[in-house]
Amino acid sequence: QLQLQESGPGLVKPSETLSLTCTASGDSISTSSFYWGWVRQSPGKGLEYIASIYYSGSTYYSPSLKSRVTISVDTSKNQFSLKLSSVTAADTAVYYCVRVKTYYPMDVWGQGTTVIVSS
Amino acid sequence: DIQMTQSPSSLSASVGDRVTITCRASQSIITYLNWYQQKPEKAPELLIYTASSLQSGLPSRFSGSGSGTEFTLTISSLQPEDFATYYCQQSFNIPYTFGQGTKLEIK
Repeated sequence: QLQLQESGPGLVKPSETLSLTCTASGDSISTSSFYWGWVRQSPGKGLEYIASIYYSGSTYYSPSLKSRVTISVDTSKNQFSLKLSSVTAADTAVYYCVRVKTYYPMDVWGQGTTVIVSS
Repeated sequence: DIQMTQSPSSLSASVGDRVTITCRASQSIITYLNWYQQKPEKAPELLIYTASSLQSGLPSRFSGSGSGTEFTLTISSLQPEDFATYYCQQSFNIPYTFGQGTKLEIK
C-alpha cells in the first residue's frame, strides 16, 4: 500500500527558499496515470493546491504561486520535491504531499509537515 | 480559479442525526467533486470522489450527490467518529480548489 512521507526543515527564514521532499514507499512513483503533488494548509487560507508533477517531468502549477515554485521528481529515489522561494510569514503552513490523477481526487496523502517562516 | 463555497461553516448535531453539507462551485465542474474528512492534527482523508462514489472501505452512511455547480454530502446517521471537518474539492481543472470547510461538532 502506497505511503507518502514529507521531510524538510521546520523553520525557514523570511526571503529564503523552502525545500521539502516527499518519499514514496509501497509503490513506484513511475506508475502511469498518477501525478504527484503538494498541498498546503494554513489557518488563513485553508487548503491550497501548490503544484503537481508526472514521473516523466510534466508539471502543473497554481498560477498564484507559479513564480516562486519549482517541483521536481527523482524516480531513482522514488521521491519528488518542492522548492518555494522568497518565503514570507504567509507561507507558514502544514505542507502535504499527495497522489492525484487527472479529474480524480487526491487519494493518498502524507502525514504533513509543519513549516514556520520566521527569523 | 474555480471558487468552492461550503455551507454551513459549522454545524452542531447529535449522534444518530442525519446531516447534509452543501458545496457550490462558481462554474460547472460536471461531477468532478470530491469530499474529504479531516480530524485534528491529521491529514485529510478521501470520502467521496466524482460526486457520488464512496471510497473503498468506508461506511455506507456517507453519500454524495450533485452535478454542475451544486453538490451535497450526507451522513445518514452520525457516529461519534464522524465529528470532524469536511472539505469539498474540485478536480475539474487546475488549480484544484477546496471549500473553506464545515466543522461538524457534537451538540
